Parts: sequence; structure tokens; C-alpha cells
Amino acid sequence: NAGVTQTPKFRVLKTGQSMTLLCAQDMNHEYMYWYRQDPGMGLRLIHYSVGEGTTAKGEVPDGYNVSRLKKQNFLLGLESAAPSQTSVYFCASSVPGLPYNEQFFGPGTRLTVL
Amino acid sequence: AQKITQTQPGMFVQEKEAVTLDCTYDTSDQSYGLFWYKQPSSGEMIFLIYQGSYDEQNATEGRYSLNFQKARKSANLVISASQLGDSAMYFCAIQGAQKLVFGQGTRLTINP
Repeated sequence: NAGVTQTPKFRVLKTGQSMTLLCAQDMNHEYMYWYRQDPGMGLRLIHYSVGEGTTAKGEVPDGYNVSRLKKQNFLLGLESAAPSQTSVYFCASSVPGLPYNEQFFGPGTRLTVL
Repeated sequence: AQKITQTQPGMFVQEKEAVTLDCTYDTSDQSYGLFWYKQPSSGEMIFLIYQGSYDEQNATEGRYSLNFQKARKSANLVISASQLGDSAMYFCAIQGAQKLVFGQGTRLTINP
């Protein structure tokens, strides 16, 4: 049981390049999330998904796209990377339920855009 | 909109002392949850403790307890008998509609 995994762990891009970050979970969770963490700050929600085939915008969605074609995978795409997107990206998953909805986080992807 | 405020950018504590990390929140929701996460220097996010808005008792998990004061909208984390391994960033977060909103965090350093 690997939990939440993220690929790649590190990446350096040049301005204008594109890339896709892959998040995979093996816990059969319905919900998945993408966050970014800038230096000295907390995590901010980019996009999230409440089920296969569904996506929704979070707090900072501009410049990113996502897809959830399979329940276990959640992809985050950058079509034209900008230096402002240099950050650590975290994926998380959870199962809706009571009393609370604990999110399980992946190890993060450190992205640098030059 | 929901908001978390953590007013202590850094805290320095002697080993074995208790420490309180402050967290205040703002929400218009009647039902919400409050979480604390630990982020060590290795970077992973580790869930510590949860408090529901309707929970009458303060949550406890081992050395961690949450001092929940609903009227003051505060949810402070208390770590008893601190250890060197407690040195990390600590984030308070509020959950509503299945989404988490995080504070900016407090960097806790435990001195031997």
C-alpha cells in the first residue's frame, strides 16, 4: 500500500515549457486535490476533484489544468510555465465521510521555472 | 470565505517543556473542522489532530491536544513534553465543503 505517490519528485523547466505532474493513490479515495506551497507559506488549493471525470477550481487555479480520467490518478498540467509557478506541489486524497475528511498527502514535487 | 491566522512565525522552546501554537480562524459555516499538520524539514505533511465544530470536548492525540474555544474562534495546538523531533513547521487548517484552507504556519524549534 503506497498511499499517495507523485511523479516526478523534482523538475526544472524553462519559461514557456509545458509539463504534467502525476498523482496516484491506491486507497480507493473519491476526492483528490492539488496544492502549491510557496516558501514560508501554507498550502493553497489549486484544483480538486470529487470523483472520476469531475474537476473544480480551488483558490489559485490560473495557469493550471487538471484531469481525472481514472479514479486513482489526478494529473496537473502547466501549459506554459512561468517563474511565478516555481513552488512545491502537493497532491492529496481523501474519502468523504464523518466525522471528518482527513486528507492524505503525497511527498511533494519541487518545480523550478527559470 | 474561510481564513486561518497563525500569528507566531517562529517559536523556540526547551526540550521537555510544553508549547502552545496559536491558531485563530474565520468562517461563516456552522459546521466545520479544524486540523493541525506537521511538516518536518523532509517536507511531508503529517496529520496530527482534528477538532469538529460541534465537538464538546477538546481533542487529544498522545502528546497533542487542541484547545478549542469556539466563541473566540481559536484552536490552539498544545504539545506536552516537547522532544527534539518536534522541531518542524506546524500548520493549522480549516475544512469546509471538503476543502482545506491553511494558515501560514509556525516554525517550532526545540532546543536541547
